[in-house]
Amino acid sequence: QVQLQESGPGLVKPSETLSLTCSVSGNSVASGDYWGWLRQSPGKGPEWIGTIHHSGIAFYNPSLNSRVSISLDTSNNQFFLVLTSVTAADTAVYYCARDPNVAYFLNWGRGALVTVSS
Amino acid sequence: ILLTQSPGTLSLSPGERAALSCRASQSVDYNQVGWYQQKPGQAPKLLIYGASARAAGIPDRFRGSGSGRDFTLTISRLEPEDFAVYYCQQYDDSHITFGQGTRLQI
Repeated sequence: QVQLQESGPGLVKPSETLSLTCSVSGNSVASGDYWGWLRQSPGKGPEWIGTIHHSGIAFYNPSLNSRVSISLDTSNNQFFLVLTSVTAADTAVYYCARDPNVAYFLNWGRGALVTVSS
Repeated sequence: ILLTQSPGTLSLSPGERAALSCRASQSVDYNQVGWYQQKPGQAPKLLIYGASARAAGIPDRFRGSGSGRDFTLTISRLEPEDFAVYYCQQYDDSHITFGQGTRLQI
């Protein structure tokens, strides 16, 4: 059974950088699967942030593309999200997820609330 | 591609049939549309992928249909645990978007 767990600071100051880690168990991030980050603001639908494959392929939401980076650490079976120059609009629950076929998110973490505030 | 879900809220009773709509701003290649169920405090759960294939362990009362721009999630014989928020999602040209959701309430 694949399990994912987000971790990182719950509070980030405006203009600073948001960094989150997703730890994966039950599957390898070096497998053929894709791995993604999504977020959800209160009362809204999920927003896709980006997806990465261990081959180095990564693609991002165009609305965040200039501020976002996703990377993998196969030795520790983790992947990471970095979002720069955050504002209050980046306050959300952030989820990491497994995507078996580049199109759908089958397994999700429980989510991590990140608040952007001074 | 923008996805518009309707209705915003659907009020039904257990045992009834629910039909949730998702319309795309343009045709979705290869009908790469999925449906998710989300309950309060939980992550979304994949129900349907490829417009009509059920994910593993999803009961057969959940049925996805549609093609091109118009897609539907039908839930026959609503169970008490089916009352939740439902989102459609599309994949096209390495981009993923979600609809704004339909709240299914008793």
